[in-house]
Amino acid sequence: EDKVVQSPLSLVVHEGDTVTLNCSYEVTNFRSLLWYKQEKKAPTFLFMLTSSGIEKKSGRLSSILDKKELFSILNITATQTGDSAVYLCAVAFNTNAGKSTFGDGTTLTVKP
Amino acid sequence: GAGVSQSPSNKVTEKGKDVELRCDPISGHTALYWYRQRLGQGLEFLIYFQGNSAPDKSGLPSDRFSAERTGESVSTLTIQRTQQEDSAVYLCASSLLAGNTGELFFGEGSRLTVL
Repeated sequence: EDKVVQSPLSLVVHEGDTVTLNCSYEVTNFRSLLWYKQEKKAPTFLFMLTSSGIEKKSGRLSSILDKKELFSILNITATQTGDSAVYLCAVAFNTNAGKSTFGDGTTLTVKP
Repeated sequence: GAGVSQSPSNKVTEKGKDVELRCDPISGHTALYWYRQRLGQGLEFLIYFQGNSAPDKSGLPSDRFSAERTGESVSTLTIQRTQQEDSAVYLCASSLLAGNTGELFFGEGSRLTVL
């Protein structure tokens, strides 16, 4: 059975801290790994990773994929209160790129 | 429209009643997905539509769940004889093509509470 596991389940930090969120997976027909940010209801897309070792960056956020060890990390530097959200990791399949298996998410709380 | 639109945003119903949830995808997006998110959990795939092809219903949890989509427009998810375990947020997403990058554009969801 396809599985995506995120850790930690929740995390509380203070503004300015750096955090690392983890996502490991066991799936067949891997196509890509995606990170989403869910603040209230609608998840919004952050990154898509398909190749090992190539870091994707967007401002203070960055992510990298290791296809040999089957995991990805999402880093957030100099955290701000606006980074507080649930971060979802999902794996999309070769057969259907949008039919993804999601992890349970990491709830990040950034305190002032 | 500018984004994926879902209605109703909240629905409270009694056990045993039928409910219908609506999704209006981004114009031009050929692929449409329904996901379910229980409290504190990740998203569970329910069903996928791509153009006029037969839908992929592999994620529907029981025969009480069904969905329709007319062409590349609005989709409705119907839950018959609702049960308390159906309580969740039902998220609709669309994308340009099913075989693309995998990025999904989500609506705000419909929160269903079954009493």
